[in-house]
Amino acid sequence: DTGVSQDPRHKITKRGQNVTFRCDPISEHNRLYWYRQTLGQGPEFLTYFQNEAQLEKSRLLSDRFSAERPKGSFSTLEIQRTEQGDSAMYLCASTPSSGEQFFGPGTRLTVL
Amino acid sequence: AQSVSQHNHHVILSEAASLELGCNYSYGGTVNLFWYVQYPGQHLQLLLKYFSGDPLVKGIKGFEAEFIKSKFSFNLRKPSVQWSDTAEYFCAVNVDLFSGGYNKLIFGAGTRLAVHP
Repeated sequence: DTGVSQDPRHKITKRGQNVTFRCDPISEHNRLYWYRQTLGQGPEFLTYFQNEAQLEKSRLLSDRFSAERPKGSFSTLEIQRTEQGDSAMYLCASTPSSGEQFFGPGTRLTVL
Repeated sequence: AQSVSQHNHHVILSEAASLELGCNYSYGGTVNLFWYVQYPGQHLQLLLKYFSGDPLVKGIKGFEAEFIKSKFSFNLRKPSVQWSDTAEYFCAVNVDLFSGGYNKLIFGAGTRLAVHP
């Protein structure tokens, strides 16, 4: 499968714990996006990388959230001191410069 | 701020009925427009897109959408739905925020379509 992959697919954690998600984009895509989707809503933009540079961060991304793409390939999204409000589906998407974004299956986070 | 509105949150149709899902966006500049579909248990997939040119665009599985610039609309249509079209449909806009190209997608809240046999 040469699409966008995300790991893990599901994560259950206790409030206050740290979690890290990984996204592997389509190999030739230089742009990578993270979105968050809660029940009954469409995906909301979190942050965006072009190669290894993080070019935009949403106000939704509090100080507890950090994202990296160290070599311009895979990306990680870390949430520190998780809260129940962080429970959501975290989506990763990648694109070449054409604008069409290809989405991964998402990581469903449940914070107890 | 840019936003996307989808007017119908839930739609229930019988097979062979016609479908039209509304989508309006608020942004006065250059946009790319998309419809994504999410089938039960699957990830978001592109249904169709509009970048420029003919405002009537055709996508996969018999879907089409019409871009009406004066109305800031990009409604999705299908003449005859099938049970397999049961899914959630998201309209999205990609605005040209920087001179270097297009950036984040802004999504509507989605429309959940149920098609009964």
